[in-house]
Amino acid sequence: EAGVAQSPRYKIIEKRQSVAFWCNPISGHATLYWYQQILGQGPKLLIQFQNNGVVDDSQLPKDRFSAERLKGVDSTLKIQPAKLEDSAVYLCASSLGGRAIDTQYFGPGTRLTVL
Amino acid sequence: KNEVEQSPQNLTAQEGEFITINCSYSVGISALHWLQQHPGGGIVSLFMLSSGKKKHGRLIATINIQEKHSSLHITASHPRDSAVYICAVDTGNQFYFGTGTSLTVIP
Repeated sequence: EAGVAQSPRYKIIEKRQSVAFWCNPISGHATLYWYQQILGQGPKLLIQFQNNGVVDDSQLPKDRFSAERLKGVDSTLKIQPAKLEDSAVYLCASSLGGRAIDTQYFGPGTRLTVL
Repeated sequence: KNEVEQSPQNLTAQEGEFITINCSYSVGISALHWLQQHPGGGIVSLFMLSSGKKKHGRLIATINIQEKHSSLHITASHPRDSAVYICAVDTGNQFYFGTGTSLTVIP
């Protein structure tokens, strides 16, 4: 079974530029999560989708971050414009349903460096 | 103050040693999770606990709900156990993550 795919794996941009990350969850998984992990910290949930609807985006900085999950499958996370403090690893995870984290499958992450 | 505190932050052990990582939390929870993150960034879920104790191979996780404390134990540690171990709690409304414990097991 293929795992969660993310691209790109690495991205370096200058501040005020825009960037987008892509995630393809495991086939059939209804729930998709985006996490931000800043160096030295634990992951922080940015947004959770159930199919193509948003369940929780309370920690998403909506002035600059946006995410969508068209057709309830792939998802993109965008940052516009990026700030230095956005440098982090962005992890995508999917689960069959619900919120039980032990059923979440994580992708390899995208490491973003903002200069 | 963080809702989830882990200790130690860094841990170096000799191969074969018994290892304990601690997690304390300050919120009411429906479940506690132990995650393992390897240097490549991939995260693997090790345990989900709501009470008592779970064992998987050389890994043991315990939780004391009254004391709001959990421990992850690794018996007969091996260099391949080197990773960051993260404690996360689910309040039912939100997840809170600890900052992780970086474990290095030396051959």
